[in-house]
Amino acid sequence: ETGVTQTPRHLVMGMTNKKSLKCEQHLGHNAMYWYKQSAKKPLELMFVYSLEERVENNSVPSRFSPECPNSSHLFLHLHTLQPEDSALYLCASSPGGARRYGYTFGSGTRLTVV
Amino acid sequence: GQNIDQPTEMTATEGAIVQINCTYQTSGFNGLFWYQQHAGEAPTFLSYNVLDGLEEKGRFSSFLSRSKGYSYLLLKELQMKDSASYLCAVNADKLIFGTGTRLQVFP
Repeated sequence: ETGVTQTPRHLVMGMTNKKSLKCEQHLGHNAMYWYKQSAKKPLELMFVYSLEERVENNSVPSRFSPECPNSSHLFLHLHTLQPEDSALYLCASSPGGARRYGYTFGSGTRLTVV
Repeated sequence: GQNIDQPTEMTATEGAIVQINCTYQTSGFNGLFWYQQHAGEAPTFLSYNVLDGLEEKGRFSSFLSRSKGYSYLLLKELQMKDSASYLCAVNADKLIFGTGTRLQVFP
């Protein structure tokens, strides 16, 4: 247990479905992140939230929609995904920037789009 | 642009020493991190370097040369449980990752 909890751990969805990924941290951190991890590719930063405000959106398609209702929770809403969106989606948090200890990651949601 | 390179795969024998290299070219630099990630698990923090030189922590050490854009992670007295992916990441106001190096330790 790292202090960052992601649910569900595994998700299979059709291309016409709508689903949401959830991330929760109780570390008192004020920044949260979504990363996508595909096989043989670097972790790709998708979204950054600082103090519940989105501060970065790295050209992510609109079929991915983040939501940060408070500093402890982060969601990623998914709709009309494509098979190439199948990947491990990792949530992370930090005190406010990487500083000395970097980010604390959750175990991820393994997403399969069929 | 941002570019971080590390070998894709490495193998080693239990009890041996292995060095995983990382080279980077980024638009900013506020430190370099190494993470360990076992299959299906969260990446976990291993080390942080912001100044040139060697940082030692038990069986693991990490080295940084900022002028060369180069770092390595040194793992000594390898154990089977060290089989994992090792991710190099540069703090350029946000963490930018390499592809990771998958290390397999054999008996």
